[in-house]
Amino acid sequence: DAKTTQPPSMDCAEGRAANLPCNHSTISGNEYVYWYRQIHSQGPQYIIHGLKNNETNEMASLIITEDRKSSTLILPHATLRDTAVYYCIVRLRRDGNKLVFGAGTILRVKS
Amino acid sequence: GAVVSQHPSWVICKSGTSVKIECRSLDFQATTMFWYRQFPKQSLMLMATSNEGSKATYEQGVEKDKFLINHASLTLSTLTVTSAHPEDSSFYICSASGASSYGYTFGSGTRLTVV
Repeated sequence: DAKTTQPPSMDCAEGRAANLPCNHSTISGNEYVYWYRQIHSQGPQYIIHGLKNNETNEMASLIITEDRKSSTLILPHATLRDTAVYYCIVRLRRDGNKLVFGAGTILRVKS
Repeated sequence: GAVVSQHPSWVICKSGTSVKIECRSLDFQATTMFWYRQFPKQSLMLMATSNEGSKATYEQGVEKDKFLINHASLTLSTLTVTSAHPEDSSFYICSASGASSYGYTFGSGTRLTVV
């Protein structure tokens, strides 16, 4: 099973870009990388996902290295409401394509 | 977009009683639903995976007779915590996989407190 490693916490100044790294060195060729975030006492919110190419949507950008062993989630202009726990997850291709959460990164956006 | 409704959002029950939590996909058919549990300051822990019309697959260490999962239709899955005890107090979250473009939509969670 591909596992992910994330820093336990990060701080970011409001209005600046937040770059959240994730290591997934054991990822298989057809496994996707998903990013979710969880604000206290709520269900996880989908942010973005990707396989090989970089992806961008209205919330964030996902940069995946060429060897796919790591990725970075970029929130281009962080706001106080982006303070949350961010989870980088590799979707398991077997066992029902389930999402297994790691410890995540606590992102604190400060004014 | 894809919406998953989870009810109740919180519930308090007495020890020994059973509690049912519902998870509904409102605008798509959920072929697979997942149930998670989260203790304070911890990550989500997957409890089980259920496919519509078949028995749920439980993760190692999760008691299937205590946490009954039913996925009788493509829009509804239920988790029943039977004979609840204080140690079952937790935040329970469902997730549905189906027609949405990104595949996994989470409910808002249920805070269970057993007294």
